[in-house]
Amino acid sequence: DQQVKQNSPSLSVQEGRISILNCDYTNSMFDYFLWYKKYPAEGPTFLISISSIKDKNEDGRFTVFLNKSAKHLSLHIVPSQPGDSAVYFCAASPFGGNTGKLIFGQGTTLQVKP
Amino acid sequence: DAGVIQSPRHEVTEMGQEVTLRCKPISGHDYLFWYRQTMMRGLELLIYFNNNVPIDDSGMPEDRFSAKMPNASFSTLKIQPSEPRDSAVYFCASSSYAESSGANVLTFGAGSRLTVL
Repeated sequence: DQQVKQNSPSLSVQEGRISILNCDYTNSMFDYFLWYKKYPAEGPTFLISISSIKDKNEDGRFTVFLNKSAKHLSLHIVPSQPGDSAVYFCAASPFGGNTGKLIFGQGTTLQVKP
Repeated sequence: DAGVIQSPRHEVTEMGQEVTLRCKPISGHDYLFWYRQTMMRGLELLIYFNNNVPIDDSGMPEDRFSAKMPNASFSTLKIQPSEPRDSAVYFCASSSYAESSGANVLTFGAGSRLTVL
């Protein structure tokens, strides 16, 4: 039972354009959401997060949007850079992020072409 | 801090053999997590500890898997006997609640890639 789903295994965009990565969840108890980025042969690294009391959080080129009614969140990268090419994991927690217990999606591989 | 340290980075073994993966968390972190990454299921939480005590092991696949945390600076994940379907990348992560972010952000190790023939 996949509670966090990233339905697009891969995405390819041109450098300078916007990258939009999507994530859906099924558990209405989730109240904290995160995005992690992973390069080959490395562990995932934290990118950005959002609490369920917000609908948007921005950090530089990265913005996460949360639509609670649709149980959907998205990560926007503007402008996209070749160095952003990586696997992006969406994650959710039912504990407000307090314990760190996270449920991850399957990941989306982003390729940014120069 | 050197981050979360995992060993070995790569392990190739034969079916039926015992496998032990090791993790040294970041000093001062009071949570430790073991995740497994596969193509089909992405990152799955296997077990996590708080202050060296196992809190939730509901993700451990079966009795062949066991995890221990004898002290705050060391944890092991053991598979005995190993099977080809256990082939995956196993990640250890540690975390501690940060007032600045208002959350518990995980820091992952580089992972241990296990291949069971």
